[in-house]
Amino acid sequence: GAGVSQSPRYKVAKRGQDVALRCDPISGHVSLFWYQQALGQGPEFLTYFQNEAQLDKSGLPSDRFFAERPEGSVSTLKIQRTQQEDSAVYLCASSFQWEGAGELFFGEGSRLTVL
Amino acid sequence: AQSVTQLDSQVPVFEEAPVELRCNYSSSVSVYLFWYVQYPNQGLQLLLKYLSGSTLVKGINGFEAEFNKSQTSFHLRKPSVHISDTAEYFCAVSRQTSGTYKYIFGTGTRLKVLA
Repeated sequence: GAGVSQSPRYKVAKRGQDVALRCDPISGHVSLFWYQQALGQGPEFLTYFQNEAQLDKSGLPSDRFFAERPEGSVSTLKIQRTQQEDSAVYLCASSFQWEGAGELFFGEGSRLTVL
Repeated sequence: AQSVTQLDSQVPVFEEAPVELRCNYSSSVSVYLFWYVQYPNQGLQLLLKYLSGSTLVKGINGFEAEFNKSQTSFHLRKPSVHISDTAEYFCAVSRQTSGTYKYIFGTGTRLKVLA
């Protein structure tokens, strides 16, 4: 497809399990963002990639969160030892531009529920 | 630090009535401003953006927004809403810092159009 694709769309994990969320951005998009959206809240910034370089990871809430984009296209957000407070929708967005003026194209998100 | 404030969490309005969704931002430097819409079970999509130039920006689906630098506001308006406009609306700013940039989102305003 032509849009940003995220998988899985829904994930239920037991507390303490590790999870991996995948984002397939639009081909050719340089910038890739991960956001966390809690119920009833706006998207909260987690991390930003420009091609394969992770330029900003200031929003990652703890060292249990890790993101990578090794070849500058597909990205994976990994959460280790999940906690209940990690329950949220994780959004991936990509942009052709890198200077902050570009439109972000969002995926439909991965909804994580930690029991 | 910069933040985005959306003053109304929910706005009910009757069909064909006008609507204004309010957004204020705080930043000591120039920013780019955006409005995104999120329909149920879908990803966010861009409505409109302000980068520079004319302070009145027109977007898709008949929406427009006005940038007011002195009041640090970027309110979204539509003169006549439809049932299909029922959705969550997010205001966002982006600013470059230290060679990178991030988009900061407000908490969202849920617009409910009533028949």
